[in-house]
Amino acid sequence: DGGITQSPKYLFRKEGQNVTLSCEQNLNHDAMYWYRQDPGQGLRLIYYSQIVNDFQKGDIAEGYSVSREKKESFPLTVTSAQKNPTAFYLCASSIRDATYEQYFGPGTRLTVT
Amino acid sequence: QKEVEQNSGPLSVPEGAIASLNCTYSDRVSQSFFWYRQYSGKSPELIMSIYSNGDKEDGRFTAQLNKASQYVSLLIRDSQPSDSATYLCAVNEGGGGANNLFFGTGTRLTVIP
Repeated sequence: DGGITQSPKYLFRKEGQNVTLSCEQNLNHDAMYWYRQDPGQGLRLIYYSQIVNDFQKGDIAEGYSVSREKKESFPLTVTSAQKNPTAFYLCASSIRDATYEQYFGPGTRLTVT
Repeated sequence: QKEVEQNSGPLSVPEGAIASLNCTYSDRVSQSFFWYRQYSGKSPELIMSIYSNGDKEDGRFTAQLNKASQYVSLLIRDSQPSDSATYLCAVNEGGGGANNLFFGTGTRLTVIP
């Protein structure tokens, strides 16, 4: 089945620890994205990548890092520098065409205490 | 700052009625418009895309776009309890740049049996 997978579904960490969230897609999409969703707020873009080995900061990149070594994979690291890391993290992917349609993975809910 | 505005709701409609969800956007050069459905605790699911002025119908869903008024809406006919969810409006960045979307905060819809 084609799709986007994110793991783990739930993640618990202590404050001060870095944590890496996985995102894998087998849709052959070129572009991948990371969003953060907080209660009562819309999706906010953290990082995006349009091609392998290239990525750009979104609106709220501070405290996060990414890599794009393979077309299928776009992991997100939440570092200890992120002030409020507890949130629902969503990975998406899209074809690089005029439709701009993005498809989401199931998400990872991160809780930092 | 690009903005996408939605009424947060909650919007309550009886089963079988038409639910009308509205969205306005600030970026005049945006060309692609989307509606996502998000069930509680789940990731957004793309349900409608619209690119030109007028109406686009898909089953019980109709998307309406008016670029002059910078307005996009979603009508759900014969509403069912399973339609109860938060509906997110998304608009592309415009200007031929990256495939970035801007999301509204969503409208929560409740269909009453």
